[in-house]
Amino acid sequence: KNQVEQSPQSLIILEGKNCTLQCNYTVSPFSNLRWYKQDTGRGPVSLTIMTFSENTKSNGRYTATLDADTKQSSLHITASQLSDSASYICVFPAEGGSQGNLIFGKGTKLSVKP
Amino acid sequence: NAGVTQTPKFRVLKTGQSMTLLCAQDMNHEYMYWYRQDPGMGLRLIHYSVGEGTTAKGEVPDGYNVSRLKKQNFLLGLESAAPSQTSVYFCASSSSQGNNQPQHFGDGTRLSIL
Repeated sequence: KNQVEQSPQSLIILEGKNCTLQCNYTVSPFSNLRWYKQDTGRGPVSLTIMTFSENTKSNGRYTATLDADTKQSSLHITASQLSDSASYICVFPAEGGSQGNLIFGKGTKLSVKP
Repeated sequence: NAGVTQTPKFRVLKTGQSMTLLCAQDMNHEYMYWYRQDPGMGLRLIHYSVGEGTTAKGEVPDGYNVSRLKKQNFLLGLESAAPSQTSVYFCASSSSQGNNQPQHFGDGTRLSIL
């Protein structure tokens, strides 16, 4: 069964610090992996989309990595800001690339404190 | 830029009542989706559409119906609301150009069924 597991469930860090969020998956095959940011009370917003052939991809202070051998992805946030407080969700297409169905992880809730 | 707009933002219903949630997008996207988000769970796909006049079932379609009469609109209907349908509902849209297109989400409709 296709599954996406994220860790930790929640994380508290001080402003300016770095952090890394983890995503383990059993989805196979897949064409891409997505990370979304969801602010409280808002809809998810796409941070990055990585294809199977990409090892790393950056979007500003956000860097996503993918290890297809261990079936792990991580999202690294550099020099955190208060506005980074949100849930971060790891997402895969469910049917080998079809846009018709995505598998969403439960997310990691990040709190950045001043 | 409006993007994806959902109406209403909040609604309280009594068990057995019916209602329709409206989603409108102004990005000329072919694909549209309805998800529900419940505490402690990832977003789950209810129904989706790959073009005007088409709909398909997602992971949790029971108790819901949808219609896509116009390309820019995707309606989600609850014919006889049940307490188990208390949730936050998100609509999303995406381009049909390739599999690596992000989904753009609205800010959700918070629905409570008493």
